[in-house]
Amino acid sequence: QLVLTQSPSASASLGASVKLTCTLSSGHSSYAIAWHQQQPEKGPRYLIKIHRDGSHTKGDGIPDRFSGSSSGAEHYLTISSLQSEDDADYFCQTWDTGIVVFGGGTKLTVL
Amino acid sequence: EVQLVESGGGVVRPGGSLRLSCAASGFTFDDYGMSWVRQAPGKGLEWVSGINWNGGSTGYADSVKGRFTISRDNAKNSLYLQMNSLRAEDTALYHCARSVSGYYDSSPMDVWGQGTTVTVS
Repeated sequence: QLVLTQSPSASASLGASVKLTCTLSSGHSSYAIAWHQQQPEKGPRYLIKIHRDGSHTKGDGIPDRFSGSSSGAEHYLTISSLQSEDDADYFCQTWDTGIVVFGGGTKLTVL
Repeated sequence: EVQLVESGGGVVRPGGSLRLSCAASGFTFDDYGMSWVRQAPGKGLEWVSGINWNGGSTGYADSVKGRFTISRDNAKNSLYLQMNSLRAEDTALYHCARSVSGYYDSSPMDVWGQGTTVTVS
């Protein structure tokens, strides 16, 4: 079964960097994923796609502070120079024939 | 401006029906796969249903299979979700979302609407 696992919460200080993790289920480590941000009381916003080879493609207008990478079944979203508006929920997403799957989300608190 | 605007949400009794609509603008609608994604209060995102660019292929989450039907009218730049036999657990904010490609199950979602609220009570 295709499942994405995320830690429920993370925190980091203003101006620092943080690395969020999304783990693919066993047997699915080669899948591509995407990351989405949801600020409080707003709709989700597409950030970045991490391809099977670990390269990434960002959505329109996404700042250079956001980057993606992967290692095996783990996919990462790194946010550098944290700003107050980065305080949000972050969801990873993947897909397979006939289905789309979201991770449970990570709530990032910027201290 | 690329935009998705949902409508049709409301309060409905258990067992009732509701039809959601999503109006697309600012892009060539029939180039893209589309999905409905819901978010229960205080919870994460749950994919509900998707449809390919021409309506030729659809998919549903197990939780809604047999009760919900997704469709699209490319001439009207619109996406729909017919929801029947509604349950309390269907209460959520329902977003429509565009996929990067013409296929909802082979690419990420890159444009999201603000959502419409469905309350089953």
